[in-house]
Amino acid sequence: AQSVSQHNHHVILSEAASLELGCNYSYGGTVNLFWYVQYPGQHLQLLLKYFSGDPLVKGIKGFEAEFIKSKFSFNLRKPSVQWSDTAEYFCAVRPDNNDMRFGAGTRLTVKP
Amino acid sequence: DGGITQSPKYLFRKEGQNVTLSCEQNLNHDAMYWYRQDPGQGLRLIYYSQIVNDFQKGDIAEGYSVSREKKESFPLTVTSAQKNPTAFYLCASSIALYNEQFFGPGTRLTVL
Repeated sequence: AQSVSQHNHHVILSEAASLELGCNYSYGGTVNLFWYVQYPGQHLQLLLKYFSGDPLVKGIKGFEAEFIKSKFSFNLRKPSVQWSDTAEYFCAVRPDNNDMRFGAGTRLTVKP
Repeated sequence: DGGITQSPKYLFRKEGQNVTLSCEQNLNHDAMYWYRQDPGQGLRLIYYSQIVNDFQKGDIAEGYSVSREKKESFPLTVTSAQKNPTAFYLCASSIALYNEQFFGPGTRLTVL
């Protein structure tokens, strides 16, 4: 079945460590790609999105993601995490103007 | 303030009762969505509506019903036919179908 895979369920990092969260999808054709974040007790909010153009996308709060078409991947990165980045992160893919599909989420815990 | 409101934040119901979750938006968005979020499964689409008086089933529509009588409102009814209704329910909206989605704060439903 076609899907969106987030490989890590729970990631624990110390402050200032670098972050990379994996996201792979299995849809062919044109895709729109998204990363959403859900801070404890807050709304799900958009971190960044890719529709076309430069495959390296900059988002809010120092996050970025790179679309690698050949690898069907859209990994999220941040060079130096902060305690306030503790949250759950969701990758989402919208294939060919169809419904958006979400990954299972990755819980990030940043230790102060 | 522009945004999406969902009420109530927490809802408890007895097994066998229907319950309706509210979702209102003042963003003037045409499209609205209902998702269910379960631990380890990400968000799954229940129903969506492209415009007023129109709605379509998502991946897990069984046991749920919706209406879209007004542009601002997209209530979700969890019926007694839903076998596992305890979950976190998220409402979202977008300017048009397949555009970036904005999410409400969610309603946590517990069926006792």
